[in-house]
Amino acid sequence: AQSVTQPDIHITVSEGASLELRCNYSYGATPYLFWYVQSPGQGLQLLLKYFSGDTLVQGIKGFEAEFKRSQSSFNLRKPSVHWSDAAEYFCATRGATNKLIFGTGTLLAVQP
Amino acid sequence: NAGVTQTPKFRVLKTGQSMTLLCAQDMNHEYMYWYRQDPGMGLRLIHYSVGEGTTAKGEVPDGYNVSRLKKQNFLLGLESAAPSQTSVYFCASTIISDRGTEAFFGQGTRLTVV
Repeated sequence: AQSVTQPDIHITVSEGASLELRCNYSYGATPYLFWYVQSPGQGLQLLLKYFSGDTLVQGIKGFEAEFKRSQSSFNLRKPSVHWSDAAEYFCATRGATNKLIFGTGTLLAVQP
Repeated sequence: NAGVTQTPKFRVLKTGQSMTLLCAQDMNHEYMYWYRQDPGMGLRLIHYSVGEGTTAKGEVPDGYNVSRLKKQNFLLGLESAAPSQTSVYFCASTIISDRGTEAFFGQGTRLTVV
């Protein structure tokens, strides 16, 4: 069965520092992968998605992610974190009937 | 364009009470989903629908029922609420047969069962 693993439950970075959030997937064929962000008390907003083509994907808010088949990974990156990036981040993959299969999330805290 | 709208946004129930959560989407999407979000567990699929009049079980369906009488609405029912159903519930919708298209989410319903 398809699955997504986010190994980091909680990450703290300083404002202005770079960020990398890890995501590993389990799927034999080319997966459809997504990163969502959830601000406190809010719904989920799509940051970026990958389903084919260029393995480096650009998203909103200055985020990017790289699909690496050899490592079964789809890590999210940002070169310089802003305080407003503090939120919970979810990696997800698309399963049968278009349903999303989510990882357990990574909570990002940003120190001034 | 409202997207996906969930009502209510907050609710407190007593154990054994029933309630219905409403999800409405105005994007003419075929597929609709109900998820629950619990700390440390991400979002887990409760039930989903691939079209009007159809429903199917997801990962954690026990204690919930759903109905999709109209294409734009997807209702989630709790017949006899239990404290274990305290959670944040999210509805989502997406178009049919396009795996590259993202799902659109509502703002969530925070349910507390006491």
